[in-house]
Amino acid sequence: GAGVSQSPSNKVTEKGKDVELRCDPISGHTALYWYRQRLGQGLEFLIYFQGNSAPDKSGLPSDRFSAERTGESVSTLTIQRTQQEDSAVYLCASSLRRDGHGYTFGSGTRLTVV
Amino acid sequence: ILNVEQSPQSLHVQEGDSTNFTCSFPSSNFYALHWYRWETAKSPEALFVMTLNGDEKKKGRISATLNTKEGYSYLYIKGSQPEDSATYLCAFIGNMLTFGGGTRLMVKP
Repeated sequence: GAGVSQSPSNKVTEKGKDVELRCDPISGHTALYWYRQRLGQGLEFLIYFQGNSAPDKSGLPSDRFSAERTGESVSTLTIQRTQQEDSAVYLCASSLRRDGHGYTFGSGTRLTVV
Repeated sequence: ILNVEQSPQSLHVQEGDSTNFTCSFPSSNFYALHWYRWETAKSPEALFVMTLNGDEKKKGRISATLNTKEGYSYLYIKGSQPEDSATYLCAFIGNMLTFGGGTRLMVKP
């Protein structure tokens, strides 16, 4: 596709369930970023993938959060045992180069934990 | 991940007010600074690409300035309208791409 695709666009889940969010970057983009914005708060960095290097996971808020990316393909962000405070918009971006040139955003996944 | 900060985190203004907010970033290894307007459930909309120290850009009622030596950029909105309500993000491009936390602007009619 022409842009970064995120799915689902909306997800409502019950507290305690696991969820998987998906980000399809633009083909050839080596860098991929996950951010989230909780209601009333700023954009928070979660995790950054760069090619085959070890990801920068410094922003993951707890061990319930994990993310995977194989090579330069799709990334999945998994939240286990969801809590209400996990409710947020999860935004993915990918870029052609590590320095961020040519980056593009997805339209986000709105996660609501009830 | 580098330290890119935006302030204030949120801002409430009345329709017609002018407002401004700040993005601060590392002054070394600077390549470009981007400003975005983000409404939830949409992809962020690019506003400005700023590359040179002293740059000033304008788009309608919105303008931005850049100081790379001291590491800050200001975004100004003149005569705010309710439709300006959104999160305004800055993105620093240097050795890597780093986003600020955003400023949430709410304009009351």
